Amino acid sequence: QQQVKQSPQSLIVQKGGISIINCAYENTAFDYFPWYQQFPGKGPALLIAIRPDVSEKKEGRFTISFNKSAKQFSLHIMDSQPGDSATYFCASRPNQKVTFGIGTKLQVIP
Amino acid sequence: SAVISQKPSRDICQRGTSLTIQCQVDSQVTMMFWYRQQPGQSLTLIATANQGSEATYESGFVIDKFPISRPNLTFSTLTVSNMSPEDSSIYLCSVYRTGGENEQFFGPGTRLTVL
Repeated sequence: QQQVKQSPQSLIVQKGGISIINCAYENTAFDYFPWYQQFPGKGPALLIAIRPDVSEKKEGRFTISFNKSAKQFSLHIMDSQPGDSATYFCASRPNQKVTFGIGTKLQVIP
Repeated sequence: SAVISQKPSRDICQRGTSLTIQCQVDSQVTMMFWYRQQPGQSLTLIATANQGSEATYESGFVIDKFPISRPNLTFSTLTVSNMSPEDSSIYLCSVYRTGGENEQFFGPGTRLTVL
């Protein structure tokens, strides 16, 4: 049973555009919502994370928006660059074990 | 952050053989995790390895197939036993570091191909 539903599975964005990836979770016990970025041949790297007591967190061009009542959160990449082309995983956890979404393969084209 | 290294980075193995993957962390951590990532797929937790106790396996994974050792707080091994082509995946070591945001970090992975 997938506890974190992620969409879309693939995304193509023009350079300079906004990339938006959405996730929904089911378990209200989840208390931490990280996003991971994975380049081919590499392990996932923590990109940004949020806790449910805030509705938005911004780090540079990356923003997480969190809607607790809807049990949804999203990643926005502003001014997307070709170097952002990677697979992005949303995740959540009720404890130390992270549950991952299916992943979104982002391609930013010049 | 935590610096995690894995050996080997990749291997090609024959059906029926076993491969042991090593994970080394640059500092002591209580909890280490092993994940599997099949081609183009998400990450699936295999087991949690705590030093001084038996590993805890997730549903669908058993100790006979994926024995794990955790001899100290900076090292762990995962063995993939009696391999079949279905075991071809990337195997990732991960650690959970307490303090701050209690973040989870991943190693670079071991890409296994079974012929």
